[in-house]
Amino acid sequence: KAGVTQTPRYLIKTRGQQVTLSCSPISGHRSVSWYQQTPGQGLQFLFEYFSETQRNKGNFPGRFSGRQFSNSRSEMNVSTLELGDSALYLCASSLQQRSYNSPLHFGNGTRLTVT
Amino acid sequence: SQQGEEDPQALSIQEGENATMNCSYKTSINNLQWYRQNSGRGLVHLILIRSNEREKHSGRLRVTLDTSKKSSSLLITASRAADTASYFCATDNDMRFGAGTRLTVKP
Repeated sequence: KAGVTQTPRYLIKTRGQQVTLSCSPISGHRSVSWYQQTPGQGLQFLFEYFSETQRNKGNFPGRFSGRQFSNSRSEMNVSTLELGDSALYLCASSLQQRSYNSPLHFGNGTRLTVT
Repeated sequence: SQQGEEDPQALSIQEGENATMNCSYKTSINNLQWYRQNSGRGLVHLILIRSNEREKHSGRLRVTLDTSKKSSSLLITASRAADTASYFCATDNDMRFGAGTRLTVKP
């Protein structure tokens, strides 16, 4: 069974631009969560989608948004990029919402660099 | 703020030694999970322990859970250089992660 696939693997953007990251979950998984990881802030929860609806949201500004499609694939968008948005963005899928007795399966992330 | 908080922040041991790291959480849980992250990669699920379990084993991993103290520990026995990674815990009711424990196993 294929794992979680995140594209692109690396991305370089300029301050002020916007970016869209993509995540394809494991087949059959309906929940997709996004995390931002930086050396200073660690691993921070962005949001979770289940059945095309945002179920949980972390403490990030509105510039960070996402969506989930009917095939469970998810995209994350960051508008008006700031230097501080440089990070490893990780996507994780699970069978059930909020991982009730169901572990998260992570992709290898998208490394975003904002210059 | 997140539920799971790992300590110590960093741990350095020699190959063959045991490594123990701890996790504390704040509210009641259904389960607690441990994950490993190699540098620059995604997290890998290691083990899930339910609230009615006190101990669980998986290969060289041993996890304990003390719900009265709201804490869990992960023991890696006979460590190897390949165990060098960051280790995180997370609870089911709040899938946020702490800062993790950075384990370095020296050959």
